Amino acid sequence: AQKVTQAQTEISVVEKEDVTLDCVYETRDTTYYLFWYKQPPSGELVFLIRRNSFDEQNEISGRYSWNFQKSTSSFNFTITASQVVDSAVYFCALSLIYNQGGKLIFGQGTELSVKP
Amino acid sequence: AAGVIQSPRHLIKEKRETATLKCYPIPRHDTVYWYQQGPGQDPQFLISFYEKMQSDKGSIPDRFSAQQFSDYHSELNMSSLELGDSALYFCASSLEYRGGRDTDTQYFGPGTRLTVL
Repeated sequence: AQKVTQAQTEISVVEKEDVTLDCVYETRDTTYYLFWYKQPPSGELVFLIRRNSFDEQNEISGRYSWNFQKSTSSFNFTITASQVVDSAVYFCALSLIYNQGGKLIFGQGTELSVKP
Repeated sequence: AAGVIQSPRHLIKEKRETATLKCYPIPRHDTVYWYQQGPGQDPQFLISFYEKMQSDKGSIPDRFSAQQFSDYHSELNMSSLELGDSALYFCASSLEYRGGRDTDTQYFGPGTRLTVL
């Protein structure tokens, strides 16, 4: 069975601070995807990034960066110079590759509040 | 770019009534997923369809049923509604893995907020 854990329920920072959201996953499968989704107060789920289990290369996209480490089963998400618009619930998720219609298994989510 | 369309966006029903939620996937996407998100919770997988056939099934109550039609849109039918069914229902779509960079990524619709009174 697969499991995703986001130990940080809520994080509060002041604008321009850097913040890291932790994600730890469990799976016995060797081929899987990891995702991050953002859920702003308006409620929609917005796709941010997908990584494959066979590609541990870290990724940077503007103020966002992701650190994937198979050795620690972690896929952490860092926001640099946070902004008020980053306030949202962030979900880490896992799914299996080569699994038609395979479900996403979500973590519990981390609610990020960025104060001006 | 076209996104996943869900209708209605809001729905209010009484206990024991029925409800039908509709989902129109991103064009060319062949897989549809349904998720239920209760207040303060993470989305929970209900069911998925690949090429109009049921592909995977989660904790979907027997009172719920779903299908995917020939035009790839999907409907979630919910009967004998209970207070506990009040939630945000998401539909997502993806293109099945064929080696492409963007395949297998689930893109979500805006959700249908169901309130059962």
